[in-house]
Amino acid sequence: ILNVEQSPQSLHVQEGDSTNFTCSFPSSNFYALHWYRWETAKSPEALFVMTLNGDEKKKGRISATLNTKEGYSYLYIKGSQPEDSATYLCARLFGNEKLTFGTGTRLTIIP
Amino acid sequence: DTAVSQTPKYLVTQMGNDKSIKCEQNLGHDTMYWYKQDSKKFLKIMFSYNNKELIINETVPNRFSPKSPDKAHLNLHINSLELGDSAVYFCASRLNRDRVHEQFFGPGTRLTVL
Repeated sequence: ILNVEQSPQSLHVQEGDSTNFTCSFPSSNFYALHWYRWETAKSPEALFVMTLNGDEKKKGRISATLNTKEGYSYLYIKGSQPEDSATYLCARLFGNEKLTFGTGTRLTIIP
Repeated sequence: DTAVSQTPKYLVTQMGNDKSIKCEQNLGHDTMYWYKQDSKKFLKIMFSYNNKELIINETVPNRFSPKSPDKAHLNLHINSLELGDSAVYFCASRLNRDRVHEQFFGPGTRLTVL
């Protein structure tokens, strides 16, 4: 079974605070890990695609790290803003074709 | 300009009917996908086409048939609709099969079967 798991399922964070959440995935035959941001009533938008063990990617206040040997990735948001409220999905690429998504972490920023 | 578009956005139909959802991408991508968002908000891959060739066909009832007339279009036809087919269906595309490329998603089609 090719499970991608995310924790926590949901998170409430005070505006201005920093936060992080986790994506766990099978580490064998790793190709790539994707992070997507999914706002309500919109479609998922790509944040990062990570391929190498130790990869760190950054986009503004959001960054991500990757550990392919132990099978996890962290997404960090620094100084949360209300517009960061969304569901954050990770997805592992299996066999270079199939993206298997986690169930997401729903982030709510409290003003 | 919309990069990945789907029509219709909403589809309400009776059980037993046959319906189609259309997807078009103007990004020049080679690979297109159909995903189903289930009742638990989980995105699951259904099909993938690369340059009009079927490359992923998950365990989906054969009432679902994808059709790719060209690499910019991937349509989903569903025969004999059932209540359990109610879901949001997302189309997506990717530049090619290179692992570093992200997928671009359409806005989704909410299908309701009555």
